[in-house]
Amino acid sequence: DSGVTQTPKHLITATGQRVTLRCSPRSGDLSVYWYQQSLDQGLQFLIQYYNGEERAKGNILERFSAQQFPDLHSELNLSSLELGDSALYFCASSVVASSGSSYNEQFFGPGTRLTVL
Amino acid sequence: AQKVTQAQTEISVVEKEDVTLDCVYETRDTTYYLFWYKQPPSGELVFLIRRNSFDEQNEISGRYSWNFQKSTSSFNFTITASQVVDSAVYFCALSGGSGGSYIPTFGRGTSLIVHP
Repeated sequence: DSGVTQTPKHLITATGQRVTLRCSPRSGDLSVYWYQQSLDQGLQFLIQYYNGEERAKGNILERFSAQQFPDLHSELNLSSLELGDSALYFCASSVVASSGSSYNEQFFGPGTRLTVL
Repeated sequence: AQKVTQAQTEISVVEKEDVTLDCVYETRDTTYYLFWYKQPPSGELVFLIRRNSFDEQNEISGRYSWNFQKSTSSFNFTITASQVVDSAVYFCALSGGSGGSYIPTFGRGTSLIVHP
């Protein structure tokens, strides 16, 4: 158990809908990362938050947004869902110094499997 | 730009065989970090090891060992006497960059199947 929790574990929805995925980082970790894992694209970095502020953006669509709250939990919002958004969405957390640090390993949650029908 | 290549898409072995998973990386950074993660069938990625670019010593942890060679930009992972429980997808990752974000780049993963 990594200490990172994600809810829900599974989500089935229809095209055009909006969903929210939730992540709670490990105790003491200030940084949260979101990834999308699909068969054809592999593990794709979406976005990073550090202590409530956005730190880095990856291949995140404009239909997707995220935020990190004062209690450090994070939510990933996916809207106007398309069939191609079906994937496993991971949240990871790490201890990142305020100046940023590349040596911190990330601890991953169990993921949310999103199926768009 | 950073790049991680795991050329082996899938490896199939019989229990007790030794197996090596290859990882080749590209980076212009002089300081960087390499990682291996395991993703068992349950889906959660599990951190296995971190290595920094200044430490080329090989590391052994039980049946797992890692060989880091800067000269060939490789960070290979060997499982000795493989077991069925080692069946998983293994990801190699690289981080180190400017701007303070240090987002890791992951390889596409190698699926290891260990048959009894």
